[in-house]
Amino acid sequence: KAGVTQTPRYLIKTRGQQVTLSCSPISGHRSVSWYQQTPGQGLQFLFEYFSETQRNKGNFPGRFSGRQFSNSRSEMNVSTLELGDSALYLCASTGMASPGQRITDTQYFGPGTRLTVL
Amino acid sequence: GNSVTQMEGPVTLSEEAFLTINCTYTATGYPSLFWYVQYPGEGLQLLLKATKADDKGSNKGFEATYRKETTSFHLEKGSVQVSDSAVYFCALRVSSASKIIFGSGTRLSIRP
Repeated sequence: KAGVTQTPRYLIKTRGQQVTLSCSPISGHRSVSWYQQTPGQGLQFLFEYFSETQRNKGNFPGRFSGRQFSNSRSEMNVSTLELGDSALYLCASTGMASPGQRITDTQYFGPGTRLTVL
Repeated sequence: GNSVTQMEGPVTLSEEAFLTINCTYTATGYPSLFWYVQYPGEGLQLLLKATKADDKGSNKGFEATYRKETTSFHLEKGSVQVSDSAVYFCALRVSSASKIIFGSGTRLSIRP
């Protein structure tokens, strides 16, 4: 079974631009979470989507947004980029692998997208 | 609120040494507990988990026991290898509908 995939793996943008990152969860998983990882702040939760609805949200400004499609793929968008947005953005999926299976609380992470803002 | 505290790094050990990375938590209810590992340039990989008190998670020679009385989930390995060099994160999740909460991570370096 394929794991969580994220595209692109690396991205360089300039301040003021916007960026869209993509995440494809493990097949059958319906929950997708996003995290920002920086050396100073560690791993910070951005938001979680389940069945196309945002279920949880972290403490990030409105410049950070996301969405989930009917096939469970998710995108996150950052508008008006700032230097401090440079980070590794990780996506994780959780959920039933097949109908009737108990929902697992284990999150499986993708390799991340390394965003550099210049 | 819910939180995870793990020992500050970096931790440097010689190959075949015994490893302990301390992790304690604060949580409402009965969380599931996890250890994730991040190798250089990669995302996080689940190393082991425990879902209830006294459960022991184990994988690749690593072990951790869910201790409710001391709210701890310390990671141990009897004999570390150079390939174990990575950053280790302790984490908890209160329910499958809640976000996962990570500790700050502990960088482990193993000398040959």
